[in-house]
Amino acid sequence: AQSVTQLGSHVSVSEGALVLLRCNYSSSVPPYLFWYVQYPNQGLQLLLKYTSAATLVKGINGFEAEFKKSETSFHLTKPSAHMSDAAEYFCAVSAYSSASKIIFGSGTRLSIRP
Amino acid sequence: KAGVTQTPRYLIKTRGQQVTLSCSPISGHRSVSWYQQTPGQGLQFLFEYFSETQRNKGNFPGRFSGRQFSNSRSEMNVSTLELGDSALYLCASSPAGTQGDPQYFGPGTRLTVL
Repeated sequence: AQSVTQLGSHVSVSEGALVLLRCNYSSSVPPYLFWYVQYPNQGLQLLLKYTSAATLVKGINGFEAEFKKSETSFHLTKPSAHMSDAAEYFCAVSAYSSASKIIFGSGTRLSIRP
Repeated sequence: KAGVTQTPRYLIKTRGQQVTLSCSPISGHRSVSWYQQTPGQGLQFLFEYFSETQRNKGNFPGRFSGRQFSNSRSEMNVSTLELGDSALYLCASSPAGTQGDPQYFGPGTRLTVL
């Protein structure tokens, strides 16, 4: 069964600093991985997705993620944090047994210090 | 294209009542999934509908049910509400719900059970 683990329920960085949100996956087959963002009182917005075409995936709002099979990781990064990046971020994997089911990590809340 | 819409956005019910939530997917999307989001359990998959048929189901009691109409709009029903059903209910749509298809989420319906 697939799963994702997000390391750190809360990450705080200064404005302009590097953002690094960690995600490790568990899958016996090549996974389809996603990062979503949720702003307060809103639904989830797709940031980016990995579908094996390229290991470095660029998403919206300057975010990118790198798929590393040897480390079973799919960490999300952004070179310079903005105040508007404050939100909850979810790493997710498409369930192999049920393509329409997405399995989410527990989420990482990102805070930005002025 | 218009995004996924959900109505109502907020709902307050009392224990024992039933509730119906509505979701309109992105035009052309035929797969609609429902998720429950709570602080304790995170995001959990409820079920998915495709072409008016429930194709996948999560681990929720039978009090949770849904349906999909010929225009792909979907409704979710919860009967005999319990306090623990208080949550954000998210609807997501995708073109066909196939492996690797990202899902696009609506803003959610916040259900409070008193």
